[in-house]
Amino acid sequence: EVQLVESGGGLVQPGGSLRLSCAASGFTFSGYSMNWVRQAPGKGLEWVSYIYTSGSTTNYADSVRGRFTTSRDNSKNALYLQMDSLRAEDTAVYYCARIVTVHLDFWGQGILVAVSS
Amino acid sequence: QSALTQPASVSGSPGQSITISCTGTSSDVGGYNYVSWYQQHPGKVPKLMIYEVSNRPSGISNRFSGSKSGNTASLTISGLQAEDEADYYCSSYTSSSTWVFGGGTKLTVL
Repeated sequence: EVQLVESGGGLVQPGGSLRLSCAASGFTFSGYSMNWVRQAPGKGLEWVSYIYTSGSTTNYADSVRGRFTTSRDNSKNALYLQMDSLRAEDTAVYYCARIVTVHLDFWGQGILVAVSS
Repeated sequence: QSALTQPASVSGSPGQSITISCTGTSSDVGGYNYVSWYQQHPGKVPKLMIYEVSNRPSGISNRFSGSKSGNTASLTISGLQAEDEADYYCSSYTSSSTWVFGGGTKLTVL
């Protein structure tokens, strides 16, 4: 059974940092590129970042570029999102999602990040 | 990276058909056959309903169909059922090697 489980969320002050993790199981993690997608409370979905299977290529939404870094450890079947210089507008549920071609066929349950003083 | 344009809400009665539009540009929807649609019930995880414009993943009812014309993609749900009431999001891959989502459409089954 495919599983994606996010962790590491919580409350952080503006300007602070947080590192999200996404633990993958039930499939060959190293064979799939991955995305992070977020959803602010009561709002729509927003693509955040992409990472290729090997981790050699990444891409970011303009809203997070230069502040967020996505990485992966295929030996641990883990995906990460390092979030620095956090702002109130980064408050959202963050999902990791598996990519097949370019569509997201499986999503984690999401983890809440709240940025507030 | 402007969001794709979707109607905020649509509604229909059980048994009827509804269509949700998703308008982008030649750099996303119009430039690739990489439009997908996701269903999200309140408090739940998004679920893939349509990929590559018109393909249904295994297990998705054939009441759901997708199409595209120019810069506008569409999701049609036929034979509306109460369980179809949810938010629906379109998404497209873009020429910048990024993804863009629509603002979401709330479907109400009357």
